[in-house]
Formats: sequence, C-alpha cells, structure tokens
Amino acid sequence: DQQVKQNSPSLSVQEGRISILNCDYTNSMFDYFLWYKKYPAEGPTFLISISSIKDKNEDGRFTVFLNKSAKHLSLHIVPSQPGDSAVYFCAASGYAGGTSYGKLTFGQGTILTVHP
Amino acid sequence: KAGVTQTPRYLIKTRGQQVTLSCSPISGHRSVSWYQQTPGQGLQFLFEYFSETQRNKGNFPGRFSGRQFSNSRSEMNVSTLELGDSALYLCASSFVGPSTDTQYFGPGTRLTVL
Repeated sequence: DQQVKQNSPSLSVQEGRISILNCDYTNSMFDYFLWYKKYPAEGPTFLISISSIKDKNEDGRFTVFLNKSAKHLSLHIVPSQPGDSAVYFCAASGYAGGTSYGKLTFGQGTILTVHP
Repeated sequence: KAGVTQTPRYLIKTRGQQVTLSCSPISGHRSVSWYQQTPGQGLQFLFEYFSETQRNKGNFPGRFSGRQFSNSRSEMNVSTLELGDSALYLCASSFVGPSTDTQYFGPGTRLTVL
C-alpha cells in the first residue's frame, strides 16, 4: 500500500524554466509534508516543508503547494538550474496516537534533469 | 553546527554475519530515525528512538534492531545478514520527533552483503 506516490519517474527541463514535481498521498492523517533532494549514495537533503494548515510555502526558488482536498502537493523550482539535477523525494508524516513518531513515508522519487 | 554523521560509510559483509552501524545526530537533537533505501522498495522506515527508548518501529524482521545512548547517539544492528539486506542505511535526526518536526539526514552507510 503506497501511501505517497510520485507518478513521474523523471522530468527534463531547460535551464531557466520552471520545474514542477508532483506528489499524491492517500492517508488523510498526514499533516506535514517535506521535499528532499538526493544524489546517489548520499543522504537526502531537506529542501522545504509545509504544514497541512497552509496551502503554500516559499523559500527562495522553491515553492511548495498543498491541495488537501485533492491530497496533492507540488514543488515548483523557478528558475531551474543545472545544479538542481538530482532525485527529488516527497515525504509525509502525521500524528496518529503516537504511532507516527519519527516516521516519514516517502514517495518513490522523481529524477529531475535540468539541461543548460 | 555539524550535521548528522554516520560510520562507517561503506561495509562489505557475508551472509550470516552481523553488522553494527552508528549514527551521531545534530547537536541538540534527541530523536533518531533509521531508514533503509533499496532500488526496489525505496526509502523504508526502520525505527525511531527518543531518550533511549524505541517509540516507533517499521515493518522489518526482528533481525533489525537498534538502540540509543544517553548522548542521543544511536546504533542499529542487523544479525544473520541476508543478500537482500544490501542497501543504503540512512539515519535522520530531529529535535523531538513529533509529526511536524523536520528530519535531517546523514550521508548513509552503504552495506553490501556477499
């Protein structure tokens, strides 16, 4: 049962354009969502997060949008740079009587390639 | 502030052996979570420790265990290694580990089981 899904395995974008990465979730108990960037054989690097009480959060070139009714979030990167090329994971967590402590549920990742 | 550190970075073991991996969290962080990353299963939650107590556990066999020390450093142990245990093992730390606490990851330990 995959509770967090990233349906696009890969995305290719030209430098300077917008990159939009998408993520869907099924568990309505999730209340905190994060995006991580990852290079092979390295640990994920935290990019940006959003709480379920918000629908948008911005940090520099990165903006995350949350649509709770659709159980959908997206990460926008503007403008995209070649250094953004990596695997992007969305992750979710939620309080459910204490059983969710420290647990992030990850999507399968999207490989972003930004061409110069 | 130093990030999450993991040792060793690489390990090669043979089937049937056991292995211990170590994780030092960011200073001040008291929650440590462990994850396994494989090509087929992605990033899977193993367990989480806070104040030397395991508070949460993923769906892994009992061969996978862990502990946390009073300084918040954590170790995970895998006994009777199987070929399928080959993976990147990641630990992550956060302040107290509620659902709205951001986790910061270490570089991982690449375990290869031959």
